[in-house]
Amino acid sequence: AQSVTQLGSHVSVSEGALVLLRCNYSSSVPPYLFWYVQYPNQGLQLLLKYTSAATLVKGINGFEAEFKKSETSFHLTKPSAHMSDAAEYFCAVKGNTDKLIFGTGTRLQVFP
Amino acid sequence: DTAVSQTPKYLVTQMGNDKSIKCEQNLGHDTMYWYKQDSKKFLKIMFSYNNKELIINETVPNRFSPKSPDKAHLNLHINSLELGDSAVYFCASSQVYGRASGGATNEQFFGPGTRLTVL
Repeated sequence: AQSVTQLGSHVSVSEGALVLLRCNYSSSVPPYLFWYVQYPNQGLQLLLKYTSAATLVKGINGFEAEFKKSETSFHLTKPSAHMSDAAEYFCAVKGNTDKLIFGTGTRLQVFP
Repeated sequence: DTAVSQTPKYLVTQMGNDKSIKCEQNLGHDTMYWYKQDSKKFLKIMFSYNNKELIINETVPNRFSPKSPDKAHLNLHINSLELGDSAVYFCASSQVYGRASGGATNEQFFGPGTRLTVL
């Protein structure tokens, strides 16, 4: 079975500061991992994905994530936050079925 | 140009009514899904269809009936609506069913959502 835990339902940073959104997973098989972003009143957009290739994955909008098997983590980072990054971020895992299992989401607020 | 589209965007209705939400994808994908996002933003899969066949049914009440007339469409019909059905419903599609195919990750592309409010 697969599951995802996102620590911190809310994260606040200042514009220009480092963004760190945490995701830990549990999977009985080598996982595929995803980060999605949801802007207010919109659907989900894929930021990046890990598919058992390179452990450091670069995505859109300057985001990246590192797969750490020993820590069962896939944290999302961005060196410098922009106001436009304010949104809800979801980590998701896929095991050996077609189901995407989502975490509970982290709301990112960016202050000027 | 929209890859995955849903209609309507907003749906307000009374308890007990029957309503439908439509989804269409123009990506040429084989697999489509319905997800429910509750008021706490939690996303959970409801159904998936591959080549018009039901693959996943996640213990959803039988008041919910998906219908796939062809690979590009997956509609969701809900009978006897209840207050607890109020949520945002997202349609999604992926190229093929399963984890990966020929090196592809089989990522899912989401529609803009339908906000259902049951009064």
